[in-house]
Amino acid sequence: QLQLQESGPGLVKSSETLSLSCTVSGDSISSYSDYWGWIRQSPGKGLEWIGSIHYSGNTYYNPSLKSRVTISVDTSRNQFSLNLSSVTAADTAVYFCARERGYSRPFDNWGRGTLVTVSS
Amino acid sequence: EIVLTQSPGTLSLSPGDRVTLSCRASQSVSSSYLGWYQQKPGQAPRLLIYGAYKTFPGIPDRFSGSGSGTDFTLTISRLEPEDFAVYYCHQYASSPKTFGQGTKVELK
Repeated sequence: QLQLQESGPGLVKSSETLSLSCTVSGDSISSYSDYWGWIRQSPGKGLEWIGSIHYSGNTYYNPSLKSRVTISVDTSRNQFSLNLSSVTAADTAVYFCARERGYSRPFDNWGRGTLVTVSS
Repeated sequence: EIVLTQSPGTLSLSPGDRVTLSCRASQSVSSSYLGWYQQKPGQAPRLLIYGAYKTFPGIPDRFSGSGSGTDFTLTISRLEPEDFAVYYCHQYASSPKTFGQGTKVELK
């Protein structure tokens, strides 16, 4: 059974870089058709897609965050990661990782989410 | 960017009620690329419907989806106690993928 688990610091200082990882178990991150995405949820903006990656390294990002986001994949560890630079209080949110069974597919399997708070 | 607007914001209902939730898109969305999620407090969203009307495996058949173009609907035929939650629509037709702001179904 596929499981995704987010990990990383729960507190990040303003202007620094938020770094999270998502560990995938129960399936290979190198499945040909799958994409792996990051979504965040804050009271102010609801659910917001951040970006997604294929095991080949192909990425696509939300244009509103693209200048600050990097998503990478480590197939040897069955993990993918999110870096969000120059964070502000507006980046405080619950961050979820999730699977897409293809480029234009819904998120069918989600991690439990991790709360990241940006402090000044 | 395709903006999804859900209505109503909150529904106060009783077990056994029939529920109809609306999602309107700012531009036409191919039916193949519209989904619905359920989210309970402290949990991740759970995929219910994809492709506008296809029920995701393991989802009870009281959940159904319909619609096309810019207007989509999620229907719960008979509300069960475990169905009280927030429901989101989601379009994955074009980048950026976007979500509606949610409809809360609460106990009356």
